[in-house]
This record gives sequence, structure tokens and C-alpha cells, in this order.
Amino acid sequence: AQTVTQSQPEMSVQEAETVTLSCTYDTSESDYYLFWYKQPPSRQMILVIRQEAYKQQNATENRFSVNFQKAAKSFSLKISDSQLGDAAMYFCAYRSSTYTGTASKLTFGTGTRLQVTL
Amino acid sequence: KAGVTQTPRYLIKTRGQQVTLSCSPISGHRSVSWYQQTPGQGLQFLFEYFSETQRNKGNFPGRFSGRQFSNSRSEMNVSTLELGDSALYLCASSPVGAKNIQYFGAGTRLSVL
Repeated sequence: AQTVTQSQPEMSVQEAETVTLSCTYDTSESDYYLFWYKQPPSRQMILVIRQEAYKQQNATENRFSVNFQKAAKSFSLKISDSQLGDAAMYFCAYRSSTYTGTASKLTFGTGTRLQVTL
Repeated sequence: KAGVTQTPRYLIKTRGQQVTLSCSPISGHRSVSWYQQTPGQGLQFLFEYFSETQRNKGNFPGRFSGRQFSNSRSEMNVSTLELGDSALYLCASSPVGAKNIQYFGAGTRLSVL
């Protein structure tokens, strides 16, 4: 079974600064998808960024980028030019590429609460 | 396009009762998944429905059940509620295909007293 670990329960960053959230995972599969989701106080889970394991290039979405290290099974999220609206819980998630059995489910980490200060 | 809609937003029940939660997926999405979120256990997969069939199931007791209708709307039912069932229940929909993104609703907050 796959596991996802987020070792930072809380992080804090000043507005306009850069912060990196860590995520490691364990799997025996070679092809899979990794995600970062954001959950603000409104509770709705919002996709921030997605990485396909077979792609070596790190995904980027505006101020958000990832550092995907497949051999190390590491998938960190970098937020540049942090804004007050970035304050939320951030969850790292894994999904198998095999669409059989329970493979379609998302396996989540425990989350990192990000505070953004002025 | 309208997003994933979950109703109700809040529910208060007492132990032993049963509850039904509803999820309307994004138009055109045929897969609906349910997750339970608690402070202690985090986010856990409950089950997934596709074309009115349960395709996957997580490690939850039989008191948790669900169904999907022909219009892809899904309901989740919990019978004989326990205090530990208090949680945020999230529904997610996605198009067909493993690479496709799951889009989440705002959840139903269930409190069991």
C-alpha cells in the first residue's frame, strides 16, 4: 500500500517571501500521479498542482512549483511571492496510474498548515 | 460549469440514527468518490462509484454505504451512527481516466451527539 508523509505540521512565511512544503511517499509502482491540494477555512479542497511521475520536468503553475525527486520519492511544493490568500492547509496526495481495484483513490498526507504573516 | 455540490453543509445527529448525504458532480463527470476527514485519521477514502456501480471501497464498516444514480448524482448513507462518525465528508468527481483530476465539493460537516 502507498503511504504519503508530510513531516511539517505547520509552517509560517512572510508575505512576498518563498516557502517550501515537504512531502515524501512510499510506493512500489513506477507510474503514478502526485498532487498538492489546498484546503482553506471554507473546507473546499482545491487542486494546486499535479505531477505525472513519468515526466522528469517539474510542474509549475504560476507562483507554485514542485521539486519532484522520483528516486528519493520526494515531492515538495514551493510557493513564491506568498500572499495572504495562500494561508490554508496543504495536502500532498498520491494516485496510482493503474485504473483498477482501489487504484483510483487518492492517498493523502496529514497536511501542513501554512500561515502567511504581514 | 457548476462545481461539485454537496448537501447539506451541516448535520447534527444523535447516536444510533442514520444519515444520508448527497453529492452532485460536475456535469459530464461519471466518477464520484467519497472521503472522510477527521482530525485523528486525516483524509480517508470511503468508496468510488462509476456508472451506478461501486468500483472501489475503502476500509470502512458496512454501516457506510452509497449509491449512484443514472444522472451520476451520488448519495452516501451511514446507519447506526457512532460518535466517531463525526467528520467532514468530502465528495469528489472526475471524468473517466486515471490521469484525470478529482474535483472536490465543500463537504458536509456531520456531528454525532
